[in-house]
Amino acid sequence: DAGVIQSPRHEVTEMGQEVTLRCKPISGHNSLFWYRQTMMRGLELLIYFNNNVPIDDSGMPEDRFSAKMPNASFSTLKIQPSEPRDSAVYFCASRPAGGGSYNSPLHFGNGTRLTVT
Amino acid sequence: AQSVTQLGSHVSVSEGALVLLRCNYSSSVPPYLFWYVQYPNQGLQLLLKYTSAATLVKGINGFEAEFKKSETSFHLTKPSAHMSDAAEYFCAVTGSGNTGKLIFGQGTTLQVKP
Repeated sequence: DAGVIQSPRHEVTEMGQEVTLRCKPISGHNSLFWYRQTMMRGLELLIYFNNNVPIDDSGMPEDRFSAKMPNASFSTLKIQPSEPRDSAVYFCASRPAGGGSYNSPLHFGNGTRLTVT
Repeated sequence: AQSVTQLGSHVSVSEGALVLLRCNYSSSVPPYLFWYVQYPNQGLQLLLKYTSAATLVKGINGFEAEFKKSETSFHLTKPSAHMSDAAEYFCAVTGSGNTGKLIFGQGTTLQVKP
């Protein structure tokens, strides 16, 4: 089991540029979550998917953020245009979906550290 | 809505001393509760979880937590701290209704002094 794979591990970009973060969940996991971690705000849930369908995107900060899950093995989080306040560590996590899955733990990737200058 | 409050953003203990990290939750439905640990430059790893079975839950690395409904608490303990326990610890609760959304507390950084 390769675990949740995120790329890139580090991203440095200039304000105004588009940033795309990528995530490959664990095979067989049908729920996928995107979190953002900062010192000030801790871990914030941005959006999550069940069976490739966005269930709750209420945590997405604004229209500059968008997330897609075109298939069960891939998801992207895009920021366009990026701003310095978007600097954070972005985590992807996955979990099996279906009845009784809510007590299953999330499996986290190692995160993408984004720095916007 | 559900929420989690972790009391104390930083806890410092001596090696060999008792570790106690506090977590209180708010939930209108029976909760599922979790403790995660995060080491520097890594993602979160599950320590233990409560899912309405036994109220005393044992996890990895000698940690355990007790669910106390009357106190709405799920504190994490370890009898004897090791240097390797230094990390950030997060308590989490499932979201409201049946959405399965996982809500995290602000985290507690554990420092272990030699």
